[in-house]
Amino acid sequence: DTGVSQNPRHKITKRGQNVTFRCDPISEHNRLYWYRQTLGQGPEFLTYFQNEAQLEKSRLLSDRFSAERPKGSFSTLEIQRTEQGDSAMYLCASSMTSGGSYNEQFFGPGTRLTVL
Amino acid sequence: AQSVTQLDSHVSVSEGTPVLLRCNYSSSYSPSLFWYVQHPNKGLQLLLKYTSAATLVKGINGFEAEFKKSETSFHLTKPSAHMSDAAEYFCVVTYTGGGNKLTFGTGTQLKVEL
Repeated sequence: DTGVSQNPRHKITKRGQNVTFRCDPISEHNRLYWYRQTLGQGPEFLTYFQNEAQLEKSRLLSDRFSAERPKGSFSTLEIQRTEQGDSAMYLCASSMTSGGSYNEQFFGPGTRLTVL
Repeated sequence: AQSVTQLDSHVSVSEGTPVLLRCNYSSSYSPSLFWYVQHPNKGLQLLLKYTSAATLVKGINGFEAEFKKSETSFHLTKPSAHMSDAAEYFCVVTYTGGGNKLTFGTGTQLKVEL
């Protein structure tokens, strides 16, 4: 399968614990995006990378959230000291972007986080 | 700033009848608009996109949408619904120069009945 993959698919944790999610984009894609989707809502943009550079992180929900893409390939999203309000589906998407034109973002299946 | 408003949270149609899912947008820039579909336990899939070319856009599975600047609308239609169309549909806006980050509407749940 050459699509976007995310691991784990489900994560249950206790409040206060740290969690890390991984996203493997389509191999030739240079952009990688993270979104969060809560129940009954559309996905909400969090952050994105072009290669290894994080070009916007102002939408990360708090300083407990951080993301990395160290070699411009896979990316991790970490949430420290989880809270019940962090329970959501975390989605990753990738695209091959050149110039100013829009290129389709391909989404992974998501990681569903439940904080008890 | 950019946003989309999906006017119906739930739409129910009978199989074989037309589908209309409504979306209005707001954007400070020339927008690109999309419809994505999300089936249960599956990833988001792009149905169709408008990026300043033809205003009537055809997508997969018989769906199409028309960009109407005067009405700031981008409604999704299909002439004849199929049971497999039952899913959540999202209207999405972005603009070039903004990193192409997507702004999603709240979604419309489409139910197709026999």
